[in-house]
Amino acid sequence: DAGVTQSPTHLIKTRGQQVTLRCSPKSGHDTVSWYQQALGQGPQFIFQYYEEEERQRGNFPDRFSGHQFPNYSSELNVNALLLGDSALYLCASRYNGRRITDTQYFGPGTRLTVL
Amino acid sequence: AQSVSQHNHHVILSEAASLELGCNYSYGGTVNLFWYVQYPGQHLQLLLKYFSGDPLVKGIKGFEAEFIKSKFSFNLRKPSVQWSDTAEYFCAVSAEGVFGNEKLTFGTGTRLTIIP
Repeated sequence: DAGVTQSPTHLIKTRGQQVTLRCSPKSGHDTVSWYQQALGQGPQFIFQYYEEEERQRGNFPDRFSGHQFPNYSSELNVNALLLGDSALYLCASRYNGRRITDTQYFGPGTRLTVL
Repeated sequence: AQSVSQHNHHVILSEAASLELGCNYSYGGTVNLFWYVQYPGQHLQLLLKYFSGDPLVKGIKGFEAEFIKSKFSFNLRKPSVQWSDTAEYFCAVSAEGVFGNEKLTFGTGTRLTIIP
């Protein structure tokens, strides 16, 4: 049973460029969330996708956008990259059942460096 | 909006010492509480969680946490630490909402270093 997978592992971009990060949820999961973890900080919620729609959004600018595909995998897109976007980007998945005990499972992350 | 404070940024202990990591949250409604651990080079893993019921929650690897509602706290404890417990520990909170478990709000983390 594969867990949450993310690609690529590392990425180096320059300011102003655009980047796409990818996530495949754990088997049986249909809800995907994205988090940004800056160095020395805890993860911060970017947004959550369910049924191919953005369902919740954190305090991030519109430069951050996403998509969810019919197979539940997801992409995170960041436009007009800034130096401050350098971080570890985490994907988390869970099953959307309304049981409150459902747990989010995290992937290994994509390390994005903006030069 | 909810927030989480972890006051211990870096804790250094010898093996077999007892551990307590502090976590305080701020939110007026019903919350669910979590501790996640990030071992060096590995991804975030759930240690334990509290949703309701017994405020003393037991997790994996001998960890436990106690929810004290009056103090808005959810401290993590372990009676005897091992070198393999060296990791970054994150407290997190989520609010109950329409979609069940809502987004996680994390603290800044506590780096735990165990000296053999």
